Amino acid sequence: NAGVTQTPKFQVLKTGQSMTLQCAQDMNHEYMSWYRQDPGMGLRLIHYSVGAGITDQGEVPNGYNVSRSTTEDFPLRLLSAAPSQTSVYFCASSRDSGETQYFGPGTRLLVL
Amino acid sequence: AQRVTQPEKLLSVFKGAPVELKCNYSYSGSPELFWYVQYSRQRLQLLLRHISRESIKGFTADLNKGETSFHLKKPFAQEEDSAMYYCALRGDNFNKFYFGSGTKLNVKP
Repeated sequence: NAGVTQTPKFQVLKTGQSMTLQCAQDMNHEYMSWYRQDPGMGLRLIHYSVGAGITDQGEVPNGYNVSRSTTEDFPLRLLSAAPSQTSVYFCASSRDSGETQYFGPGTRLLVL
Repeated sequence: AQRVTQPEKLLSVFKGAPVELKCNYSYSGSPELFWYVQYSRQRLQLLLRHISRESIKGFTADLNKGETSFHLKKPFAQEEDSAMYYCALRGDNFNKFYFGSGTKLNVKP
């Protein structure tokens, strides 16, 4: 039981490049979410999903896309990276939104 | 607007001293509040939630609706309590969570 896994651990991008941050969980959780963590600002919700095929916006969705084609996977896409997207990204999952959230190890992204 | 405020970026106490990490929230409805903790080189994990009314690792937190606070307390801090602590609010869209900016607790020997 690996829990929540995220890849890559660290990534450097140039402005305008695109990439996908991967998140997977093996706990059959319905609720999954993406956060970004910036110094002095804590964690801010980017997007979330309450089940396969259902996604919605969080607090800071601009510049990010998500999809949820399976229960296990919840990738986060940056279509055109900007320096303002330099951050640490965390994926989390839970049985439903009212249950304990389990976090992944994070992806550190640097956009030059 | 829903917001969580943790006024202290850093809190340093000596081992055995009481500790209180402050959390204030703004929310018009009936709040659901959590404390998450991140130890060095570990993942963020749930410490406790107010609806459980339980004590975890000696920590307790009481919801004070009058003062809109959910402060985390421990009577005798231990060195292993040193970590980053985040207060979080589950918003009126029950699928959205709002985190505070975090407080780094440093327990000195």
